[in-house]
Amino acid sequence: QVQLVESGGGVVQPGTSLRVSCATSGFIFSHYAMHWVRQAPGKGLEWVAEIIYDGSETTYAESVKGRFIVSRDNSKNTLDLEMNSLRPEDTALYYCAKGRDGFSIDYWGQGTLVTVSS
Amino acid sequence: QTVLTQPPSVSGAPGQRVTIPCTGSRSNIGAGYDVHWYQHIPGAAPKLIIYINKNRASGVPDRFSGSKSGASASLAISGLQAEDEAYYYCQSFDRSLSGFMIFGGGTKLTVL
Repeated sequence: QVQLVESGGGVVQPGTSLRVSCATSGFIFSHYAMHWVRQAPGKGLEWVAEIIYDGSETTYAESVKGRFIVSRDNSKNTLDLEMNSLRPEDTALYYCAKGRDGFSIDYWGQGTLVTVSS
Repeated sequence: QTVLTQPPSVSGAPGQRVTIPCTGSRSNIGAGYDVHWYQHIPGAAPKLIIYINKNRASGVPDRFSGSKSGASASLAISGLQAEDEAYYYCQSFDRSLSGFMIFGGGTKLTVL
């Protein structure tokens, strides 16, 4: 079965960086686009970034563009999100998610919590 | 900024039918982009329940159905059960944003 397991969350100060990762199994990782979606405390879901199956194209939400970088290692079936210049408003549960097709998601991880606070 | 509008909450008694609307605009649902629905129980991973407007994901009971018309979509749940209590999110694509996926604000379904 498909499994997505995020790691790397924690408490960091504003302006610093953090990398979260996602280990995957149960599907052919290199065949699918992958996404990061976040949920701030008490808020709804917000799409953050997408990377296509071979890593050659990435897309970002305006709120993180220029600060976050999504990458993947198809040899290790892992997905990463490097987050720079973090702001308090980046505080959220970050979900790794598998693309079903070009426009939706079919599997999600349990999330890793990132807290940006001084 | 939420570009897909959902009511914050809906409720129904066990066995009843409820619908959750998702209202978009000409730049997203109204432009012909498909709508997908997710169920999220806090503390668990979100779960895809409806894809491409009306197709049930694997293992989802036929009590769940989706529809789309114009710039809006809706999720219907019939024969409500206690286990249906969750947050439900619609999702589509918006061509006016440099981003990609958009989600509704989410609707909390309470089973009375």
